[in-house]
Amino acid sequence: KQEVTQIPAALSVPEGENLVLNCSFTDSAIYNLQWFRQDPGKGLTSLLLIQSSQREQTSGRLNASLDKSSGRSTLYIAASQPGDSATYLCRGSQGNLIFGKGTKLSVKP
Amino acid sequence: GAGVSQSPRYKVAKRGQDVALRCDPISGHVSLFWYQQALGQGPEFLTYFQNEAQLDKSGLPSDRFFAERPEGSVSTLKIQRTQQEDSAVYLCASSLAARAYNEQFFGPGTRLTVL
Repeated sequence: KQEVTQIPAALSVPEGENLVLNCSFTDSAIYNLQWFRQDPGKGLTSLLLIQSSQREQTSGRLNASLDKSSGRSTLYIAASQPGDSATYLCRGSQGNLIFGKGTKLSVKP
Repeated sequence: GAGVSQSPRYKVAKRGQDVALRCDPISGHVSLFWYQQALGQGPEFLTYFQNEAQLDKSGLPSDRFFAERPEGSVSTLKIQRTQQEDSAVYLCASSLAARAYNEQFFGPGTRLTVL
């Protein structure tokens, strides 16, 4: 059964730092991996989708990579801003759709 | 166009009551998903529709949970005889094609509190 783990569970950084969020999965036979952000009391907002044939995707200050052989994906946030504060979730797509528990990010002004 | 919408946004039910949660997916999206999210946890998959067909209901926690999408657009998640452990946020997502081979787009969720 696919399991998705996100490390760290929480992260607090000063504004302007570059940071990396990690997502690991146990079964490399995934179709794609999607990163979301979730603001308190809100639904999920899609950030990046990486298909299994791709290695990375970029959108603005965000870059997500996928390494199926090692079962890992990373989300890189450049020049973090207070508005980036949210919980970041990764979701693996296989036969089932499995989410990690998220990384709660706080960016201090 | 409009995104995924859900109603009600908040629902308080007394234990034992039945509730119905509605999801309006993005127009033209084939796939519709329901998730349950407990506080501090990631969403847990409940069920999946491709058009009007419920292809996967393996995540439904008990036979008190029932979902339908009769015309392949709007979906309703019904919970009968609610219990306190049903308290959670219920999220609906839609996707243009089958399963989640395309991006999933989520609604704002319905926060259910069972007293």
